[in-house]
Amino acid sequence: NAGVMQNPRHLVRRRGQEARLRCSPMKGHSHVYWYRQLPEEGLKFMVYLQKENIIDESGMPKERFSAEFPKEGPSILRIQQVVRGDSAAYFCASSLSGDRSYNEQFFGPGTRLTVL
Amino acid sequence: GDSVTQMEGPVTLSEEAFLTINCTYTATGYPSLFWYVQYPGEGLQLLLKATKADDKGSNKGFEATYRKETTSFHLEKGSVQVSDSAVYFCAVGTSKIIFGSGTRLSIRP
Repeated sequence: NAGVMQNPRHLVRRRGQEARLRCSPMKGHSHVYWYRQLPEEGLKFMVYLQKENIIDESGMPKERFSAEFPKEGPSILRIQQVVRGDSAAYFCASSLSGDRSYNEQFFGPGTRLTVL
Repeated sequence: GDSVTQMEGPVTLSEEAFLTINCTYTATGYPSLFWYVQYPGEGLQLLLKATKADDKGSNKGFEATYRKETTSFHLEKGSVQVSDSAVYFCAVGTSKIIFGSGTRLSIRP
């Protein structure tokens, strides 16, 4: 059973370009979470999605950032008009369910975004 | 909202030393508590977890006990190895996980 897959592993963009980060959850998992890790810091929650629905986006910046998890295909985190401050590692996690009783989140290897 | 405060690093120990990394949390309700480990250049791996008060999580010689009265979840290991060198994150949550800032651990041979 393959783990959580993220691609690309490394992404370089110039200021003003768009970045698209992809996450394929573990087989059978329908809940996806995105986290951002700035250099030398912990992970910060960004958004929690279930198939075709955004459940909690309280950690998402109000502008330029969006996320989706379509019925078919991977979850996408999209950053428009990137700025240098967007340079970070972006981690995706997935879980089997997302109800209040904890369900373990499995993390992908991350996408390291560098904005020049 | 929920928050986590953990011991600042870096922590440097000699091989076979005893390890404690302190972690305290604030949370509403009855969250689960976790320790994650991140090796250089890799993603996070769940090291251990506890889902209710007085539970003890353990894995690979590491232990942590969910102490509701002191709102703590300190990580301990009796004898560390060079291979334990990594960054350790304490975390709290249910569907949304809140992470501490991480503690970098370096073990000298």
